[in-house]
Amino acid sequence: GDSVTQMEGPVTLSEEAFLTINCTYTATGYPSLFWYVQYPGEGLQLLLKATKADDKGSNKGFEATYRKETTSFHLEKGSVQVSDSAVYFCALSDLIRGGKLIFGQGTELSVKP
Amino acid sequence: EAQVTQNPRYLITVTGKKLTVTCSQNMNHEYMSWYRQDPGLGLRQIYYSMNVEVTDKGDVPEGYKVSRKEKRNFPLILESPSPNQTSLYFCASTTGRDTQYFGPGTRLTVL
Repeated sequence: GDSVTQMEGPVTLSEEAFLTINCTYTATGYPSLFWYVQYPGEGLQLLLKATKADDKGSNKGFEATYRKETTSFHLEKGSVQVSDSAVYFCALSDLIRGGKLIFGQGTELSVKP
Repeated sequence: EAQVTQNPRYLITVTGKKLTVTCSQNMNHEYMSWYRQDPGLGLRQIYYSMNVEVTDKGDVPEGYKVSRKEKRNFPLILESPSPNQTSLYFCASTTGRDTQYFGPGTRLTVL
């Protein structure tokens, strides 16, 4: 079945460092891909999404490109801030089940001043 | 404001005592889901509903029930909770292929 694999955390960076969180997926068909973020004590918020191959999603300085040839959707940010500390989840939508989200295990990011 | 609400936010209960977690959305979405979040496992779907009176099992349905009598509400029922159901629960809604909107979460502890 469909699945999502993320790099394991926790990831600890200094402020203004470059961030990459790797995400690869296995899916039949052409799912939409998402990055969700969960700040401490809160629910999940959509960070960005891409609905077809070569699409680039972007928001708040974060970017990810839907790469069909490598089945990847890596999250990047050029300069992280302390306020970016959170857990990041990569996910794909299962179109057969009307949009069910299949999540990776999450990557905890901690940014130090 | 478009939102998904859940109640209660926190609940501590004992084994075998029936409980219900409510979920409501105001976006007129047809599709609603329940997920549980456990460390190292990400979020896993428990049940989903594609419309009123249409529900189906997700990946981890054992020990849970749901109902969808109205479009806006999708309660999660634990008829006989057990300690392995201690988790963080999220309700979500969507139109389908597009973004899912999540509630704030319900942290459940079963003693």
